[in-house]
Amino acid sequence: QVQLVQSGAEVKNPGASVKVSCTASGDTVGSYSVHWVRQAPGQGLEWVGRITPSGDSARYAQKFQGRVTVTRDTSTSTVYMELSSLTYEDTAVFYCARDLHYWGQGTLVTVSS
Amino acid sequence: QSVLTQPPSVSAAPGQMVTISCSGGSSNIGKNYVSWYQQLPRSVPKLFIYENNKRPSGIPDRFSGSKSGTSATLGITGLQTGDEADYYCGVWDNSLSGFVFGTGTKVTVL
Repeated sequence: QVQLVQSGAEVKNPGASVKVSCTASGDTVGSYSVHWVRQAPGQGLEWVGRITPSGDSARYAQKFQGRVTVTRDTSTSTVYMELSSLTYEDTAVFYCARDLHYWGQGTLVTVSS
Repeated sequence: QSVLTQPPSVSAAPGQMVTISCSGGSSNIGKNYVSWYQQLPRSVPKLFIYENNKRPSGIPDRFSGSKSGTSATLGITGLQTGDEADYYCGVWDNSLSGFVFGTGTKVTVL
């Protein structure tokens, strides 16, 4: 049974960065693409980006280009998403999803001063 | 503003059928596989349909997907109260070189 476990909720100041982790159990993330999806309160799903199985290529939504970095550590089956220059509009739940099939439980990122 | 358009809401009585449309373009639905996701209130999205019309293990056959040209449709027959949720279509967009989700449709069982 594939499970993706994400790191816990974060509270950040505007302008700060946040790094969210996503660790696979029951399988490895090494053979699959891992995507990140954002959902602001009361809003729809928004694709942030994804990293390839080998980890040598990442692609990001234009909206987040220059501000987001997705990396993976195959030795620990963990994928990371780092989002910088946070604004209040970044307050959202961030999900990781293996091939957009198996989803993590979500991580709430709150941007507040 | 998403490149995939869905109706904001659909509703029907228990046991009835609903369809949810997802309208896109030649760079997304016109060329790539469509997926559908169900998101129950305060829950994680769940894959319900992939590759236009395939159901993952455990998804009842009351749910079906189809695609024609630059549009896709999710059908739900034998509507149940447990089907009340938000439904999103999703597809890779070749022009954007990224994945896009539809605007989402809320299904209400009357």
